[in-house]
Amino acid sequence: AQSVTQLGSHVSVSEGALVLLRCNYSSSVPPYLFWYVQYPNQGLQLLLKYTTGATLVKGINGFEAEFKKSETSFHLTKPSAHMSDAAEYFCAVSDHNFNKFYFGSGTKLNVKP
Amino acid sequence: DADVTQTPRNRITKTGKRIMLECSQTKGHDRMYWYRQDPGLGLRLIYYSFDVKDINKGEISDGYSVSRQAQAKFSLSLESAIPNQTALYFCATSDRGVAKTDTQYFGPGTRLTVL
Repeated sequence: AQSVTQLGSHVSVSEGALVLLRCNYSSSVPPYLFWYVQYPNQGLQLLLKYTTGATLVKGINGFEAEFKKSETSFHLTKPSAHMSDAAEYFCAVSDHNFNKFYFGSGTKLNVKP
Repeated sequence: DADVTQTPRNRITKTGKRIMLECSQTKGHDRMYWYRQDPGLGLRLIYYSFDVKDINKGEISDGYSVSRQAQAKFSLSLESAIPNQTALYFCATSDRGVAKTDTQYFGPGTRLTVL
């Protein structure tokens, strides 16, 4: 069975500071990995995904994530936080058949002026 | 117009009532999903459907049923609502595609409160 752990339910950074949101997965084989963002009162939007190829994946709004197989991690980063980045972020995994998606519990990002 | 729509957006009901949440999509995707979101628990899969004749239980299907009326419509029913079904419910769609780089597209959610 697959599972996803997001360390830190709340993260607070200052505007302009580095954003680092952590995601670790548990899977018998390397899964496909996703980061989604949820703005208040909205559904989830895809930020980026890793399926195959380059392990550093770039997404929308300046976010990127790196798949590290040895650490079973897929942490999300952004060099400089913007106020508009305040949202809840979810890491997700799926098997290679995309039969099911498993989501982490989410991390709420607060950006201070 | 939104690609994935959910109705109603908000609903308050009483224990024991039957409730139906509806989802429609214009993306032409075969796969549709129902999730519930609870604070601190993320999203949990209730049911999923790969086509009109293929419906599968997710990790928390007890107390729920679904109907795939057409490729574009997937409804979630609570036959007898109970307070711990109070949650935010999301419908999602996906398409395998040739490249097999599946992505899920989410509706705006339905906030359900069971009193």
